[in-house]
Amino acid sequence: NTKITQSPRYLILGRANKSLECEQHLGHNAMYWYKQSAEKPPELMFLYNLKQLIRNETVPSRFIPECPDSSKLLLHISAVDPEDSAVYFCASSRRDSSNERLFFGHGTKLSVL
Amino acid sequence: GDSVTQTEGPVTLSEGTSLTVNCSYETKQYPTLFWYVQYPGEGPQLLFKVPKANEKGSNRGFEATYNKEATSFHLQKASVQESDSAVYYCALDANSGTYQRFGTGTKLQVVP
Repeated sequence: NTKITQSPRYLILGRANKSLECEQHLGHNAMYWYKQSAEKPPELMFLYNLKQLIRNETVPSRFIPECPDSSKLLLHISAVDPEDSAVYFCASSRRDSSNERLFFGHGTKLSVL
Repeated sequence: GDSVTQTEGPVTLSEGTSLTVNCSYETKQYPTLFWYVQYPGEGPQLLFKVPKANEKGSNRGFEATYNKEATSFHLQKASVQESDSAVYYCALDANSGTYQRFGTGTKLQVVP
């Protein structure tokens, strides 16, 4: 799937700061960050719809999203915690009058030491 | 709030047998319902979606009917193959400017 690219694919961190990147080439107007812990479903962290941010209030403040333009999405993580070990998926969709499917990237697997 | 409940996995089936994965949902809205499939090392991908009650969706031999009265959207396949081994997620989008909510997922393993 080259329509949504994420980088890096794998990340191993101590208590450091890092940014995850995502770019979509689908012309979608909504982009998402999902967190998927082992054996769990994807859980929405953030949604940008036409650059308006909707936040899942349970997400710790050390996660900061950024949407520099409609095709790019960043996730800045400061002072990672072991509970942050998971796969982080970027997704995108069209959001208009009908509810469109989500397109997911391959994910970034974060391992916190 | 909106929620989705699925058959608890893992489910192990022999090749050629039939599959049913139950999905029930709760919402006060008129949702669009989805089935996604996730293979190891990949993100979820759409199997199919059904936006209207009493309609059926299908893809790759899988099908599900949007049953508004029973608030269900059960996934079925008549004859599974080893390549169907994956995690299946039922999801709903409540059509009210919210976002898609995923069920807990059902891991399917098909053995020869």
